[in-house]
Amino acid sequence: AQKITQTQPGMFVQEKEAVTLDCTYDTSDPSYGLFWYKQPSSGEMIFLIYQGSYDQQNATEGRYSLNFQKARKSANLVISASQLGDSAMYFCAMREGLGQGGKLIFGQGTELSVKP
Amino acid sequence: NAGVTQTPKFRVLKTGQSMTLLCAQDMNHEYMYWYRQDPGMGLRLIHYSVGEGTTAKGEVPDGYNVSRLKKQNFLLGLESAAPSQTSVYFCASSLMASGKETQYFGPGTRLLVL
Repeated sequence: AQKITQTQPGMFVQEKEAVTLDCTYDTSDPSYGLFWYKQPSSGEMIFLIYQGSYDQQNATEGRYSLNFQKARKSANLVISASQLGDSAMYFCAMREGLGQGGKLIFGQGTELSVKP
Repeated sequence: NAGVTQTPKFRVLKTGQSMTLLCAQDMNHEYMYWYRQDPGMGLRLIHYSVGEGTTAKGEVPDGYNVSRLKKQNFLLGLESAAPSQTSVYFCASSLMASGKETQYFGPGTRLLVL
């Protein structure tokens, strides 16, 4: 059965430093997509980054990069040069198959606090 | 370009009442989704649509119906609201380009069922 695990309920990082949020997944499907989302205290849901299981290179979007280690089944999010506005809940998710439809399985989330 | 919009932003219903949540997107996306988020949890997919006139069930479809009569609109209906449907509802649309998926979310609708 597909499963997503985020082992860090909360994390602190100093402003301008880099931070890594952990995510491991489990699936028997060779085709899958991995996603990261940010949810600030205002409640909105913001899509950050996508990685397909066959992508050879790690996905990057601005200050966000996904450290994809397929053999270890990990998909960690790296935020470079943290900003105060990065303080939020971060969710990792996975969808089996490479189509856009279907169920997304979410991790429990990691609450990131950026210190000035 | 408004992106994804949702109406209403907040609603209180009594048990047994019905309502429709409206989602609209102006990006010409084929795929649209309705999710619910309960406290302390990630999103759960209710229904989704792969194009105008088509809908499909997600993970938690019971008690909800949807319609996609126009490409830009995706409606979520609750025929007989129950307290268990108290949640925050997010609509989203997505685009796949060059093998990369990008998702766009609406601001959410807070629903309280008494």
